[in-house]
Amino acid sequence: GAVVSQHPSRVICKSGTSVKIECRSLDFQATTMFWYRQFPKKSLMLMATSNEGSKATYEQGVEKDKFLINHASLTLSTLTVTSAHPEDSSFYICSARPGLEGYEQYFGPGTRLTVT
Amino acid sequence: DAKTTQPPSMDCAEGRAANLPCNHSTISGNEYVYWYRQIHSQGPQYIIHGLKNNETNEMASLIITEDRKSSTLILPHATLRDTAVYYCIVGRNFGNEKLTFGTGTRLTIIP
Repeated sequence: GAVVSQHPSRVICKSGTSVKIECRSLDFQATTMFWYRQFPKKSLMLMATSNEGSKATYEQGVEKDKFLINHASLTLSTLTVTSAHPEDSSFYICSARPGLEGYEQYFGPGTRLTVT
Repeated sequence: DAKTTQPPSMDCAEGRAANLPCNHSTISGNEYVYWYRQIHSQGPQYIIHGLKNNETNEMASLIITEDRKSSTLILPHATLRDTAVYYCIVGRNFGNEKLTFGTGTRLTIIP
């Protein structure tokens, strides 16, 4: 199956700093990538949808100035958590969908962010 | 709003078939049924999807009722590695349609 990678897998940062998470589709081109957040023992919550070369579409309640998303190429999307605070500590997961049709999304392994 | 209803948890003996039900009584004609699973601290994994016909792949079988209001995911010979949270999702098959995850079913395979 299609492979999606995320980097880093774990990151610990101090409150007030920014953290960048990369999501790459390794063996396919992804016209659409999605970013999710998952708190402990909770389900995945979609944060935003990004399309290559255009601005991301954020879900209601997600601050676009705090969670910067860049989808610069068909294989790379980045999520930057700016001025991170302890409440931003979570499991961040990206997914990618090849092409415009097909509901199969391929998920990355996730990034565990801890803000101290 | 969740479009699907699943039992919160299930147990299954190792080697037996695991049958995971999903209710999607408000599914519309152009919506598919998708199944994903998430093993602890990993990203979700695509399992299978279908529209109205039953489907089978190397991982599982998907049985969709004739009225399409419910479906069952079948793992034919469950192993300990199948312990995970299983999500049943309905949605259309095109465009930027996004996945909405419900609470899923926590399946535990018992040795």
